[in-house]
Amino acid sequence: DIQMTQSPSSLSASVGDRVTITCRASQTISTYLNWYHQKAGKAPKLLIYAASGLQSGVPSRFSGSGSGTDFTLTISSLQPEDSATYYCQQSYGIPYSFGQGTKLEIK
Amino acid sequence: EVQLVESGGGLVQPGGSLRLSCAASGFSVSSTYMNWVRQAPGKGLEWVSVIYSGGNTLYADSVKGRFTISRDDSKNTVNIQMNSLRTEDTAVYYCARAPGVSKWFDPWGQGTLVTVSS
Repeated sequence: DIQMTQSPSSLSASVGDRVTITCRASQTISTYLNWYHQKAGKAPKLLIYAASGLQSGVPSRFSGSGSGTDFTLTISSLQPEDSATYYCQQSYGIPYSFGQGTKLEIK
Repeated sequence: EVQLVESGGGLVQPGGSLRLSCAASGFSVSSTYMNWVRQAPGKGLEWVSVIYSGGNTLYADSVKGRFTISRDDSKNTVNIQMNSLRTEDTAVYYCARAPGVSKWFDPWGQGTLVTVSS
């Protein structure tokens, strides 16, 4: 099974900050890597697909990069509504697996 | 509008059974991959099962032999029959479509809570 490891587990940042979350796969997954965020009490929502594709309707301040085993989600200018838990997910092989999550708090 | 709505959650005793349903609108469940993902209280996301457009099914080891995913094309729903439930199956269960060749999940339903407790 492919293990996904995110870092950090939590972070606190200010409005306007540039924020980076990393995700590492236990084996190469090409670009089969997706990012979601989940606000409290809500379902997850797709942000980035196939490592760098911006989902329709998602603000352009979100971007993704990487391939192989190392991936990054970047928020270029943090907004108050970005407070959420962020998950990476590999869709390379069954069982699909998620990172443990990164809880992002706005200072 | 593409939408998923889950139903069927509730309280069940250990060893009991429950059937969840996911109603789709705006697309045909038979034309894509449909998944179930769960989230235990305060925990992360765990993939549970997938049914492919051709009808093949796959499961996480944690539910294999106890859960069965199926599809009703006439009702445009995807279901999951959960038997021999354990306390560790307590979670919010989400259905999610995997429309792309790279199998990302979008959209997700709002989730339905399953509580396994005596």
